[in-house]
Amino acid sequence: DQQVKQNSPSLSVQEGRISILNCDYTNSMFDYFLWYKKYPAEGPTFLISISSIKDKNEDGRFTVFLNKSAKHLSLHIVPSQPGDSAVYFCAGRSYNTDKLIFGTGTRLQVFP
Amino acid sequence: NAGVMQNPRHLVRRRGQEARLRCSPMKGHSHVYWYRQLPEEGLKFMVYLQKENIIDESGMPKERFSAEFPKEGPSILRIQQVVRGDSAAYFCASSRGLAGVGPSYNEQFFGPGTRLTVL
Repeated sequence: DQQVKQNSPSLSVQEGRISILNCDYTNSMFDYFLWYKKYPAEGPTFLISISSIKDKNEDGRFTVFLNKSAKHLSLHIVPSQPGDSAVYFCAGRSYNTDKLIFGTGTRLQVFP
Repeated sequence: NAGVMQNPRHLVRRRGQEARLRCSPMKGHSHVYWYRQLPEEGLKFMVYLQKENIIDESGMPKERFSAEFPKEGPSILRIQQVVRGDSAAYFCASSRGLAGVGPSYNEQFFGPGTRLTVL
């Protein structure tokens, strides 16, 4: 039962361009969505989040968009930088529990 | 270092042995979560604990796996009689655990993980 799906296992973007990472979910009980970034041999680090009552949240170069009717969210990184190369995980949290349900991740590579 | 600490970072066990993974939460955090990441997969929730209390263990395998978070000391994830399929990265996260106050209060901070290899 894959409640959170990241259908693109990898994405390659040129430096300076926009990176768009997508995430779909099926669980209507999610009230909060998060994006985590992960480098090899390290733990995930929190990047940005969005509450289900909002449709956009912006933090510097990172913006997350939420489309509740489509059960879809996306992370936009602009401009992309080589240091952004990592695996990005989308996660959802149900309102009645603190556990996070993660997608399988998208590996972003930003090349010069 | 005020972050989540996990040790050991790497652990090698032979089939049938026991594995003990430790997690010290961030200062001020009273809730601990364990996640497992199998190769080429996302992180899967295992268990959520408060001091001396298991809140949610819906992701724990029914046999051989147990977790505790004693009043003093780190949280321990224990795997008895390990099998090759237990080889994975095990991540611990901690939070303030003030559910209901607001999502930002429940932000989970992750440790660097323990990579378990079963020979």
